[in-house]
Amino acid sequence: DAGVIQSPRHEVTEMGQEVTLRCKPISGHNSLFWYRQTMMRGLELLIYFNNNVPIDDSGMPEDRFSAKMPNASFSTLKIQPSEPRDSAVYFCASSVGLAEDNEQFFGPGTRLTVL
Amino acid sequence: GDSVTQMEGPVTLSEEAFLTINCTYTATGYPSLFWYVQYPGEGLQLLLKATKADDKGSNKGFEATYRKETTSFHLEKGSVQVSDSAVYFCALSDRETGGSYIPTFGRGTSLIVHP
Repeated sequence: DAGVIQSPRHEVTEMGQEVTLRCKPISGHNSLFWYRQTMMRGLELLIYFNNNVPIDDSGMPEDRFSAKMPNASFSTLKIQPSEPRDSAVYFCASSVGLAEDNEQFFGPGTRLTVL
Repeated sequence: GDSVTQMEGPVTLSEEAFLTINCTYTATGYPSLFWYVQYPGEGLQLLLKATKADDKGSNKGFEATYRKETTSFHLEKGSVQVSDSAVYFCALSDRETGGSYIPTFGRGTSLIVHP
């Protein structure tokens, strides 16, 4: 199994530009999570989906952030317009479902730098 | 709401020393508890888990016991190796009364093991 795939691995952009992060979950996993990791705030849950439907987006910091999951094998996290304070590592994770004891499988992350 | 508190790092040890990383939690329900490990430049991966009181999770020489009476899930290893150097995250998953799934992670504890 290829695991969770994220692209790009690194992204450097200028303030005001649109950024799109991509994620392919593990085949057969029904739940997908987007996290942001920074030194200051640690690991934050931004949004999660179950069966392609957004369940909780209360962690999305602002309207500049949006996420979609058009099908079971693909999700995007978009920032428009981007700001320097959005610089972080963004992780996508997937799990078999939303049972409390289910393990989450994390991708390698996308390191975003907004200049 | 639910929360996870871990000891501040970094924890610095010599090879073959005994390791303890403390973790306590607060939860509204009866959560499952996890330890994840993050090696440099990678995503988090599950190290061990426990789903009910007095359960002991173990993997790769690491152990943690679910203590409901003290709401704790401390990570231990009898003899650490340089290759154990990483960031360790305590986490819980719980379901709100209203039915929403809540994954909650601690801030992470960095472990540095010297030869």
